[in-house]
Amino acid sequence: DTAVSQTPKYLVTQMGNDKSIKCEQNLGHDTMYWYKQDSKKFLKIMFSYNNKELIINETVPNRFSPKSPDKAHLNLHINSLELGDSAVYFCASSQDTLGGIETQYFGPGTRLLVL
Amino acid sequence: AQSVTQLDSQVPVFEEAPVELRCNYSSSVSVYLFWYVQYPNQGLQLLLKYLSGSTLVKGINGFEAEFNKSQTSFHLRKPSVHISDTAEYFCAVSKIQGAQKLVFGQGTRLTINP
Repeated sequence: DTAVSQTPKYLVTQMGNDKSIKCEQNLGHDTMYWYKQDSKKFLKIMFSYNNKELIINETVPNRFSPKSPDKAHLNLHINSLELGDSAVYFCASSQDTLGGIETQYFGPGTRLLVL
Repeated sequence: AQSVTQLDSQVPVFEEAPVELRCNYSSSVSVYLFWYVQYPNQGLQLLLKYLSGSTLVKGINGFEAEFNKSQTSFHLRKPSVHISDTAEYFCAVSKIQGAQKLVFGQGTRLTINP
């Protein structure tokens, strides 16, 4: 009964490769997010989608491309991976994006290591 | 733009002792305030949030936080901690208007010693 799930949990890959991380939520929420947590535990939002539409796009290299096939899924594709992409990537979801009051529910994270 | 500063990167405490984790924020607009907890190798879980009303907010696991608008602070407290409270704690803010975007502090590592 996992509310927000991510696959894979761990991802080890070589520089230059392309990889995808998948996220699914079964909470019926309208909005989904991707966050990056660096090696110093600093968390920063990358993207947010509401009903499959992009609403937040922070200053992220265009090698990162989110894709939302439906409102329950938000996948993250990364092209030409670099060493600095090594981090933990968290997916989250919330009921509604307006007003900023809805609790965001986080997935367990995907630990990406680029060698 | 909003920013959040957690004044202590690490806080060691003995079991059953009280603890306070400090958080200050900066914003030119009104914000909501949150505390999230991250247990080892897990995602973030909401502890509590301040939206409006009483400045003292109670959350899960016996935690509470007090919003102080004049000092732009939202410190987290627990009167008696347990070993199971060992985790990373994140303070965050979100603008009241517009798309919700959590802006996090750097985190405070709370370590409970027996």
